[in-house]
Amino acid sequence: DIVMTQSPDSLAVSLGERATINCKSSQTVLYSSSDKNYLAWYQQKPGQPPKLLIYWASTRESGVPDRFSGSGSGTDFTLTISSLQAEDVAVYYCQQYYSTPYTFGQGTKLEIK
Amino acid sequence: QVQLQQSGPGLVKPSQTLSLTCAISGDSVSSNSATWNWIRQSPSRGLEWLGRTYYRSKWYNDYAVSVKSRVSINPDTSKNQFSLQLNSVTPEDTAVYYCAREKHYFDFWGQGTLVTVSS
Repeated sequence: DIVMTQSPDSLAVSLGERATINCKSSQTVLYSSSDKNYLAWYQQKPGQPPKLLIYWASTRESGVPDRFSGSGSGTDFTLTISSLQAEDVAVYYCQQYYSTPYTFGQGTKLEIK
Repeated sequence: QVQLQQSGPGLVKPSQTLSLTCAISGDSVSSNSATWNWIRQSPSRGLEWLGRTYYRSKWYNDYAVSVKSRVSINPDTSKNQFSLQLNSVTPEDTAVYYCAREKHYFDFWGQGTLVTVSS
């Protein structure tokens, strides 16, 4: 199984500041034939299912604000929120869909400082 | 717009069978480009993929090793839905269960069902 490890476990950022969450996979999720990274990011608020933010490591889902961006390749990935808004308080998860069993990171809790 | 509506009991006794259903609107369980998944979430295990069903000229299933001996995910084409059955449950199976559509990534999710295993 591919193990997904996020850092940090929790993060407090001031409104308007940048938030950065890291995700590392235990093996590559870059599919060489397509040159695509099989990596997604989700946002989860209390009492709600996870919401897709980013797929293919860097493609924003429709309707997701452009302050959210994803980067990285192979085994190391980053989710960046360029200017934190109050509504961004949530838990963020990375997930690999390179191979089954699909696996998620343990989550990063983002709070306002 | 795809919507997934979950139904099923929130309380199951130990050793019994957990059964949940996910009704699909805006897509087809027989789609050749999607798979239909069950995922659960608990404080101890985080987000855990349980398995999926999908149609590619015939029906296929994939299951997580952790539940493979106890789980069954089945499509119901007449009602455009799919179901989860988890046998011989224990308190460790207490979690919020989600259904989700996969087109590589999970783009649509059900609302979640908290299932508690307790006598």
